[in-house]
Amino acid sequence: EDKVVQSPLSLVVHEGDTVTLNCSYEVTNFRSLLWYKQEKKAPTFLFMLTSSGIEKKSGRLSSILDKKELFSILNITATQTGDSAIYLCAVVGGAQKLVFGQGTRLTINP
Amino acid sequence: DAGVIQSPRHEVTEMGQEVTLRCKPISGHNSLFWYRQTMMRGLELLIYFNNNVPIDDSGMPEDRFSAKMPNASFSTLKIQPSEPRDSAVYFCASSFSGGAYEQYFGPGTRLTVT
Repeated sequence: EDKVVQSPLSLVVHEGDTVTLNCSYEVTNFRSLLWYKQEKKAPTFLFMLTSSGIEKKSGRLSSILDKKELFSILNITATQTGDSAIYLCAVVGGAQKLVFGQGTRLTINP
Repeated sequence: DAGVIQSPRHEVTEMGQEVTLRCKPISGHNSLFWYRQTMMRGLELLIYFNNNVPIDDSGMPEDRFSAKMPNASFSTLKIQPSEPRDSAVYFCASSFSGGAYEQYFGPGTRLTVT
């Protein structure tokens, strides 16, 4: 069964800090790994990763995938209070459906 | 584009009643997904359709749950009879061509069964 484990489950930091969120996975016939941000409502898409070692970047957020070690990280630099959210990692395998991790609840204190 | 549209946004019902949740995917997307989110279990895929055909319903909890997609622009998720443990936020998402592409989520329906 496909499985995604995120760590930490919860993280509290001060504004301006840099954070690294982790996602490890087990999946049959890996196709892609996706990161989503969920604030009060629906998850919103951040990144999709398919190849190892290629960093995806959007502003202060970046992510990279290691297909050999079966994990991905999401980095957020110079955090702001607006970054407070649940960050969800999901993988797509041979079944062509998203399997989500439990999420990391990130809180940025001013 | 209006994005994925779900209705109702909130539903409160009594145990034993039938509940119908509705979803309109993004125009042009041919895959549609129903998810349930709870604090205990996180975000779980219930069922997904490709070109209006159910592809994988292994996440549907039990026979009380059913989903249909009569055309490319409309889907329903029905719970009959509803139970308190069905209380959750139900999301609909759509994408191009199966789960390998990024999915766009609707605002969700918060269901409370008393």
